[in-house]
Amino acid sequence: QVQLQESGPGLVKPSGTLSLTCAVSGGSISSSNWWSWVRQPPGKGLEWIGEIYHSGSTNYNPSLKSRVTISVDKSKNQFSLKLSSVTAADTAVYYCARWTTTDRRRYFDLWGRGTLVTVSS
Amino acid sequence: QSVLTQPPSVSGAPGQRVTISCTGSSSNIGAGYDVHWYQQLPGTAPKLLIYGNSNRPSGVPDRFSGSKSGTSASLAITGLQAEDEADYYCQSYDSSLSKVFGGGTKLTVL
Repeated sequence: QVQLQESGPGLVKPSGTLSLTCAVSGGSISSSNWWSWVRQPPGKGLEWIGEIYHSGSTNYNPSLKSRVTISVDKSKNQFSLKLSSVTAADTAVYYCARWTTTDRRRYFDLWGRGTLVTVSS
Repeated sequence: QSVLTQPPSVSGAPGQRVTISCTGSSSNIGAGYDVHWYQQLPGTAPKLLIYGNSNRPSGVPDRFSGSKSGTSASLAITGLQAEDEADYYCQSYDSSLSKVFGGGTKLTVL
């Protein structure tokens, strides 16, 4: 059974870089799925950040594209998020999620538990 | 402002039927892209509820159903139960913004 687990610092200083990793267990990151980051500010809705395929191909939310880098490490079966120049508005629970395909339908079928990142000095 | 519009809240008594709407535009739902629904119980990660407009993953009760027409989609819950109290999100693809979510709807079971 595939599981996703986010990890990284829970506190980041303003203007710094937020760095998170999502470990994939029970399955291979090189399967035919895309791997995404989604965030949720406290008390607010979900926002898609971006995604990566095991080949290294990426897609990003245009509103965050200038500050986001998503990378994959197949040897460690994990993928990572870097968000630069953070402000308090980037405070959120960050989820990693699997974008899968079934019968030509594509959707998020698996989510990590999420990790809260607070931007504060 | 979310690209997909959902009512902030809905409510119903146990056993009743409620619906949650998700309104988009010609660049997302109206363009033919699928709509998916996720349930988020308090303090937990979202969970897939409906995929491809109307398909239920294994393990999701048939009390939950989805539909799509034109630029909108709907989630219906029949036989409302206390455990259904959660936030519900629709999600689709937008030709200008890629994957997009609705703002979420809080379901209260009275």
